[in-house]
Amino acid sequence: GENVEQHPSTLSVQEGDSAVIKCTYSDSASNYFPWYKQELGKRPQLIIDIRSNVGEKKDQRIAVTLNKTAKHFSLHITETQPEDSAVYFCAASGASGSARQLTFGSGTQLTVLP
Amino acid sequence: DAGVTQSPTHLIKTRGQQVTLRCSPKSGHDTVSWYQQALGQGPQFIFQYYEEEERQRGNFPDRFSGHQFPNYSSELNVNALLLGDSALYLCASSNGMNQPQHFGDGTRLSIL
Repeated sequence: GENVEQHPSTLSVQEGDSAVIKCTYSDSASNYFPWYKQELGKRPQLIIDIRSNVGEKKDQRIAVTLNKTAKHFSLHITETQPEDSAVYFCAASGASGSARQLTFGSGTQLTVLP
Repeated sequence: DAGVTQSPTHLIKTRGQQVTLRCSPKSGHDTVSWYQQALGQGPQFIFQYYEEEERQRGNFPDRFSGHQFPNYSSELNVNALLLGDSALYLCASSNGMNQPQHFGDGTRLSIL
């Protein structure tokens, strides 16, 4: 089955700096890669996703890049703010038939220092 | 527009008991997936329901079963509870099996 590795497990940045979180996946058939933000005690919130026919996607201060050949994808957050502090999870999924099973990484605790 | 709702929010059970967790999908969504999230880990896929059928299943034993109703809501049942079943159980809904999934707040299950 699919295996997703996520690095780093913890990341501290100064407010205004950029943050980068990296993930690798094992199944070359995976074609969908979402990122979720989970604040303490709250639900995982979908913040951005990318499909395998796209190399990069941006949404304001957030961007995701995908390298299918190397089987890795990254989350980039620019101009970080204290409210960006949370645990971020990457996930990968292939469509088995029509169903979609998300395999998650182990998470990155991002702390933005004021 | 109501998002994904789950009940109850917290539950305490003892080993050997059984439990039923409930999920109502976001308005307009017809697919429900269930995940188990242990403390400090990422969610793990249990199964996905669409058109009242289990469409895909993760690596969980048969003690974990589910159901989807005609109104798209879903239940997760766990029998013969073990201490290791203590976790946050998350429900995610989507508009179709192959679409982005949106999570509820989860049910925190504690086994004593």
